[in-house]
Amino acid sequence: AQKVTQAQTEISVVEKEDVTLDCVYETRDTTYYLFWYKQPPSGELVFLIRRNSFDEQNEISGRYSWNFQKSTSSFNFTITASQVVDSAVYFCALSEATGNQFYFGTGTSLTVIP
Amino acid sequence: KAGVTQTPRYLIKTRGQQVTLSCSPISGHRSVSWYQQTPGQGLQFLFEYFSETQRNKGNFPGRFSGRQFSNSRSEMNVSTLELGDSALYLCASSHGALREGSPLHFGNGTRLTVT
Repeated sequence: AQKVTQAQTEISVVEKEDVTLDCVYETRDTTYYLFWYKQPPSGELVFLIRRNSFDEQNEISGRYSWNFQKSTSSFNFTITASQVVDSAVYFCALSEATGNQFYFGTGTSLTVIP
Repeated sequence: KAGVTQTPRYLIKTRGQQVTLSCSPISGHRSVSWYQQTPGQGLQFLFEYFSETQRNKGNFPGRFSGRQFSNSRSEMNVSTLELGDSALYLCASSHGALREGSPLHFGNGTRLTVT
């Protein structure tokens, strides 16, 4: 079973639209960490955010916001007023306190059309 | 601070050969982990090294191995290359171990092509 599921393979939006990228995770650990990474066409994965399992506060950073809901095992990412520079593949990821691995979702390819 | 440096950026090898990839982590980072990225399988965890010890290994055959030196630099080796080993190999470093939830900082990767 997939530890991290990103059901949206590809999304296209027109510039200035809002877009939400979904992420559902699976773990039995009580302590775990969730991440979002951005991979632009250049290829390098860029860290965006980390949340631990004890902190369900939503976070906003500029046009980016994250909604963490343990009840639905989801950690969704919203980009407000999207821009062409937001075009990239976005990965949700999970690490567990009892594990020694890092699990990535399959990624969502976002294209922002000017 | 310099970022994670991976060398070489591109490699072309033939089946049966072996290859060594190198990764220099961010100064002060003790954990180095490796990932394989392919269009079909996505990003898959290979292994993590922390203080020169392999912490865990993903679901890869024994042809994939690695090591970490006292200065935290790491190398990954793939022996008896197969066509399916063609991939982007990414190295990441973090201050703490993966189980501590430390954010990973990635290098640009090594693009390996096996012909």
